Amino acid sequence: TQLLEQSPQFLSIQEGENLTVYCNSSSVFSSLQWYRQEPGEGPVLLVTVVTGGEVKKLKRLTFQFGDARKDSSLHITAAQPGDTGLYLCAGAQGNYGQNFVFGPGTRLSVLP
Amino acid sequence: DAGVTQSPTHLIKTRGQHVTLRCSPISGHKSVSWYQQVLGQGPQFIFQYYEKEERGRGNFPDRFSARQFPNYSSELNVNALLLGDSALYLCASSLRGGISYEQYFGPGTRLTVT
Repeated sequence: TQLLEQSPQFLSIQEGENLTVYCNSSSVFSSLQWYRQEPGEGPVLLVTVVTGGEVKKLKRLTFQFGDARKDSSLHITAAQPGDTGLYLCAGAQGNYGQNFVFGPGTRLSVLP
Repeated sequence: DAGVTQSPTHLIKTRGQHVTLRCSPISGHKSVSWYQQVLGQGPQFIFQYYEKEERGRGNFPDRFSARQFPNYSSELNVNALLLGDSALYLCASSLRGGISYEQYFGPGTRLTVT
């Protein structure tokens, strides 16, 4: 059983479309991070959200942390082929946030 | 500045053998974490070390062990390799332990067990 669920598992869209991917859990996390991973490489951190209800924007990417700190969403506006990759969410638990749990990821393909 | 480096890049081992993977964190970072990523899945947390002490451990058998050296580099050791240990092993460094500090991942070591 995954502690963190991500949906959809796969997403294929045309360039210019908008999309939202979700990260859900029944557990509370002290913070949550989103990463993007390309084949053969390690994940690259996109954002860290800490406060329930927090919204962060990075250019065309908008990240939201749920009020109860159990879920998060990533919205991409006007997707570009360069956005293609595996999007992973990861939550921190433990006194030091040392137990770090990744979701299975959403594989996004943006077609030109 | 150099990012997180891992060696070797690829490795092929036989069942029952042992393996040592190495990681050098970003200069100034004192925490190193290890993850296992099986094809098609997200990374699974194995260990976190901060200032040479183990700060966290995931649900992995005792065949997996790690240590951190005074220069903050780290080794991950896996004994009695099983076919299921085939995966991408990722190392991540951060300034301090815990998730509050941003983690930066290396490119990983691809381990194949035959």
